[in-house]
Formats: sequence, C-alpha cells, structure tokens
Amino acid sequence: DVQMTQSPSSLSASVGDRVTIVCRASQSTTDYLNWYQQKPGETPKLLIQAASALQSGIPSRFSGSGSGTDFTLTISSLQPEDFATYYCQQSSSTPPTFGQGTTVEIK
Amino acid sequence: EMKLVESGGGLVQPGGSLRLSCAASGFTFDNYALHWVRQIPGEGPEWVSGISWNSEIIGYADSVRGRFTISKDNADSSLFLQMDKLRLDDTAFYYCVKDRGRLLDWSFGVWGRGVLVTVSS
Repeated sequence: DVQMTQSPSSLSASVGDRVTIVCRASQSTTDYLNWYQQKPGETPKLLIQAASALQSGIPSRFSGSGSGTDFTLTISSLQPEDFATYYCQQSSSTPPTFGQGTTVEIK
Repeated sequence: EMKLVESGGGLVQPGGSLRLSCAASGFTFDNYALHWVRQIPGEGPEWVSGISWNSEIIGYADSVRGRFTISKDNADSSLFLQMDKLRLDDTAFYYCVKDRGRLLDWSFGVWGRGVLVTVSS
C-alpha cells in the first residue's frame, strides 16, 4: 500500500496567516492526489482533486501543488471557517490511502 | 441536491453480522461508482470497498476482504455492505461515498452522514 505522511500533525495559526501543509507519498502517485477538509462533527469535504484542481465552490485562497511524491496544500489567508483537520489522499493505486491528518488550530 | 443516507448501523458482538444500506438521491445513481469509507473518531478515513457503476469492478481493502460484500441496486438507487465475521477493530463510523465517475477513480466527492458500527462483547 502507498503510505501517505503529512506534516505537521498540527499547527497553530492566526486569521490572515499563510498556511502550508505537506503530504509525502511512499511512492510516486503522479498527480493522483486529493485534499479534504473535515470540521468536528462533519464529514470530509473534497477541496482539491488531482493535486491542483480546486473543486466547485471552494474559495480561491485554497491551492494545491506538487507531483510524484511531494505535495502541498496552501491556504493563502486563513479565515475563521478554515480551522479544521486536513487530509491528503492518493487515488493512484488500490487501495486508496489517506494521510493521518493535519489539524489547524486557532493561535 | 446530491444526498446519501446510510442506515443499518448498531451494536454487534464479535463474529456477528450487519448489513449497511445507503439510499441515494439527487443524481443519476447508475452513472457512478460508489464506496464505503470508515473512520474511527480522531483518525484518518480508511477506504473499505468500492463498486463500479455496473457492478463489474469491485474492490476491497485487505482488512475486510472475504468478510465484507458490497453490492448495489440501480433500480432502487441503493448501495449495500454486508459485513460478516465482524471484529473489534471494525468499530467505526461507516460512510457511503460517491465517486466522480463510473469507474473506481477514488475521488470521494459526496459523503453521507455516516452510521456507527460498534463491535463489542
């Protein structure tokens, strides 16, 4: 199975900060990499597909980049509604696997 | 609005069985692959099983292969997960999830609210 490792596991940031989350795959996934946001008590929401394709309705302050084994999710200016846990997930090979999550907390 | 509603969760003893159902609405059900994904609170999601639009392609996680069976009824817009020989580590919230296309692309765009399965003696 492809192992997905996210860093950091958690971070504290203030409204307006630029935030970057890193996801590393144990083998190349080309650009088959998705990002999800999950708020407490809610189900995961697909933010970005195929490493950089922003889903409909997702604010443009979210962006994704990378290919192969190294990917990043960037929030350009953190908003109050962005405090949540973020997961990367590879869709390159079966079984699809998720990272352990990065929790973005209020500083 | 696309909607997925799970049912059938509950408390079961180790070795027991449960059948989860998922009722879909708001999209053309037989045009999409569907999946079951589970999550223990505080942990990342784990893909369990997926089925293509015409049920010809089916996949299982190693942890459930041989114990769980996925199926779908296009006429009824329903997805099912028959779970047999349940183990303590099957305890989790189980989500019905819609893929973006007909095959197993594993891009999980629409999620149900989930049902809790608790395996305990």
